[in-house]
Amino acid sequence: EDKVVQSPLSLVVHEGDTVTLNCSYEVTNFRSLLWYKQEKKAPTFLFMLTSSGIEKKSGRLSSILDKKELSSILNITATQTGDSAIYLCAVVGFQKLVFGTGTRLLVSP
Amino acid sequence: SQTIHQWPATLVQPVGSPLSLECTVEGTSNPNLYWYRQAAGRGLQLLFYSVGIGQISSEVPQNLSASRPQDRQFILSSKKLLLSDSGFYLCAWSEALDRRRSQPQHFGDGTRLSIL
Repeated sequence: EDKVVQSPLSLVVHEGDTVTLNCSYEVTNFRSLLWYKQEKKAPTFLFMLTSSGIEKKSGRLSSILDKKELSSILNITATQTGDSAIYLCAVVGFQKLVFGTGTRLLVSP
Repeated sequence: SQTIHQWPATLVQPVGSPLSLECTVEGTSNPNLYWYRQAAGRGLQLLFYSVGIGQISSEVPQNLSASRPQDRQFILSSKKLLLSDSGFYLCAWSEALDRRRSQPQHFGDGTRLSIL
């Protein structure tokens, strides 16, 4: 059965800290890995990773995929209170996404 | 640009009542459409997906059903709701997938369903 595991389950940091969120997976027919940010309602798309070792970057957020280790990390530098959210990792098999349970990040001022 | 609309935003229903949640997508044609449920403290669970009109794949056996009567319309239904149907229901769309490329899914704002 396809599985995506995220760690830690929750995290509390101070504004300005750097955080690293982890995602590991076991999926047949792996095609890509996606990161989403979920605040109150809809998850919003952050990154899609298909190739190992190539970093995707958007502002203070960056992510990289390691296909050999079947894992990915999401880094957030200089965290702000607006980064508080649930971060979801999902892996694409053929036509389907399998989601992890998410990491709940709380950034305190 | 593409937009996805999902309604209602919240719904409180008694056990045994019927359900109909609607989702529409604008600005694209022949999208893949998905229904997910997110229970508290758990990840998103794929319920149904559709690659075209009238084509529905069910991932989890349950008392819910889905229909796609039009290209950009996806409906989640139940004839009789159970307490366990409570949760946060999300509709999503993606460009049609092919064997060479993945496409990210984009989500609606969700429906918070409470069963009493």
